[in-house]
Amino acid sequence: GDSVTQMEGPVTLSEEAFLTINCTYTATGYPSLFWYVQYPGEGLQLLLKATKADDKGSNKGFEATYRKETTSFHLEKGSVQVSDSAVYFCALGSSASKIIFGSGTRLSIRP
Amino acid sequence: DTGVSQDPRHKITKRGQNVTFRCDPISEHNRLYWYRQTLGQGPEFLTYFQNEAQLEKSRLLSDRFSAERPKGSFSTLEIQRTEQGDSAMYLCASSLEDYGYTFGSGTRLTVV
Repeated sequence: GDSVTQMEGPVTLSEEAFLTINCTYTATGYPSLFWYVQYPGEGLQLLLKATKADDKGSNKGFEATYRKETTSFHLEKGSVQVSDSAVYFCALGSSASKIIFGSGTRLSIRP
Repeated sequence: DTGVSQDPRHKITKRGQNVTFRCDPISEHNRLYWYRQTLGQGPEFLTYFQNEAQLEKSRLLSDRFSAERPKGSFSTLEIQRTEQGDSAMYLCASSLEDYGYTFGSGTRLTVV
């Protein structure tokens, strides 16, 4: 069945460092891909999405490119801030408009 | 638009008791989803409604779990004869289009 595998955390970086969180997927066809974020004490929020191969989703300085050939959707940010500390979930759109989530990567940014 | 509301925020119950959670979706959203999230894991799909029809149920949803969405508005998720393994965050989401989810803040269930 459809599944998502993402980089295990926690990931700890210093402020202004470059961030990559790896995500790969297994699915039939070409699903939509998502990154969700969960800030401390808050609900899940959509961060960005891409609906077809080679699409780049972007938001708040974060980017991810839908790579069909490597079945990947890695999350990147050029310069992280303390406020980016959160748990990040890679996800894919499956049947019946259902979303399947990865296990999450906890990111901590040191000032 | 007040977002997706879930009630209660926290529930502590004794093993063997029944519990019921409520989700109020965004009013114009016709799709409603229930997920379960345990510590250190991503949300796992439980069930999905389009209007009042329950269109899909996960194998995770044992016979002790039942969900309803009367009149296609709010939804309830009931767990009968709770077990310690049911302890988790139960998340509700609603959408109007494919994958355009808005999540609620969740109900945290602790079974003691």
